[in-house]
Amino acid sequence: SQELEQSPQSLIVQEGKNLTINCTSSKTLYGLYWYKQKYGEGLIFLMMLQKGGEEKSHEKITAKLDEKKQQSSLHITASQPSHAGIYLCGADIPSTDSWGKLQFGAGTQVVVTP
Amino acid sequence: GAGVSQSPSNKVTEKGKDVELRCDPISGHTALYWYRQSLGQGLEFLIYFQGNSAPDKSGLPSDRFSAERTGGSVSTLTIQRTQQEDSAVYLCASSLASGLPSYEQYFGPGTRLTVT
Repeated sequence: SQELEQSPQSLIVQEGKNLTINCTSSKTLYGLYWYKQKYGEGLIFLMMLQKGGEEKSHEKITAKLDEKKQQSSLHITASQPSHAGIYLCGADIPSTDSWGKLQFGAGTQVVVTP
Repeated sequence: GAGVSQSPSNKVTEKGKDVELRCDPISGHTALYWYRQSLGQGLEFLIYFQGNSAPDKSGLPSDRFSAERTGGSVSTLTIQRTQQEDSAVYLCASSLASGLPSYEQYFGPGTRLTVT
């Protein structure tokens, strides 16, 4: 089965600093998703990437999928307290006949300090 | 517009009892997914429905778990004879459709189930 590894597990960043989270798979990624979750709440959709080399940005968050489609990174520029939370990467579970179900990495907890 | 809604938000039940969890997907979304999030296992896929096709039940952990989707909209996840290891947050998601290319999945707030 495909495993998604996220790194780091957690990070503490000072407000205003940049941060990067990585999501790596041993197999080709189809449909790579980034979500944010605050404790006790549901997942907030951030971005979805599908094509090798694809890059998307929303406000201060940029996500990239590498050319080989085995690694994605999420980069936050000039972090703010609102960026604190758990970031999860998810990917389509490869299937011959049933696409759509996702598997997820373990998550990266981001803490933003003043 | 309205997002995915789930009810109840919290459920405490005694071991051995049955529980029903409800999910209302985004209007017009034909695909509906159930996931479970627990401390030891992270976020796991359980089951998904796409239109009128037979559901993909490959993620259900045991035959105590079942789900149905009536009228292509609302879905109910049922857990029979609950066990303590069933304690988790149950998340529902929906998307416009399913397949490749992938479709964005939007999640509800979840139901926190505690089995005592």
